[in-house]
Amino acid sequence: NAGVTQTPKFQVLKTGQSMTLQCAQDMNHEYMSWYRQDPGMGLRLIHYSVGAGITDQGEVPNGYNVSRSTTEDFPLRLLSAAPSQTSVYFCASSYTGRGSGAFFGQGTRLTVV
Amino acid sequence: DAKTTQPPSMDCAEGRAANLPCNHSTISGNEYVYWYRQIHSQGPQYIIHGLKNNETNEMASLIITEDRKSSTLILPHATLRDTAVYYCIVRVTLGKLIFGQGTELSVKP
Repeated sequence: NAGVTQTPKFQVLKTGQSMTLQCAQDMNHEYMSWYRQDPGMGLRLIHYSVGAGITDQGEVPNGYNVSRSTTEDFPLRLLSAAPSQTSVYFCASSYTGRGSGAFFGQGTRLTVV
Repeated sequence: DAKTTQPPSMDCAEGRAANLPCNHSTISGNEYVYWYRQIHSQGPQYIIHGLKNNETNEMASLIITEDRKSSTLILPHATLRDTAVYYCIVRVTLGKLIFGQGTELSVKP
């Protein structure tokens, strides 16, 4: 049981490049979400999904796209990377029900130069 | 989702109980209180949650006041490995956690 797996762990991009951060979970969780964490700050919600085919915006969605074609995968796309998107990105998943805790991946550390 | 207020930092002696407070005065009747912690920039780790009653698991205890406007996370015998940032979150919307700044707990020998 791998839990929540994020790839890659580290990435350096040039300004204007695009890329996709991968997130996969093997727990059959309905809910998945993406967060970013800047140095010394708490986590901020980017996008989330309540099931396959359903996504919604979080606190800081600009510059990012998501889709949810399967229950297991929830990729995050950076359309045109900017230095302001340098951050650590975390993916999370959880079961249905308010009484469910979320499981987080170990993060992707992204630097945009 | 209700807003939470936590002290920015706390210290605790190793082996003693760590009591981390959280205010959530605007909490609604159907909102749960969740606690997570983040150790040294790793992914956040779920600790415990509750609605009305006090809760206990292998990691911690959660005490929620009768009016539900505040809660306390208790680590009964803190160790150096409990040094982390602790987040109190109140939510009703499924799949959507809004993190505040949290409390940075330092457990000292």
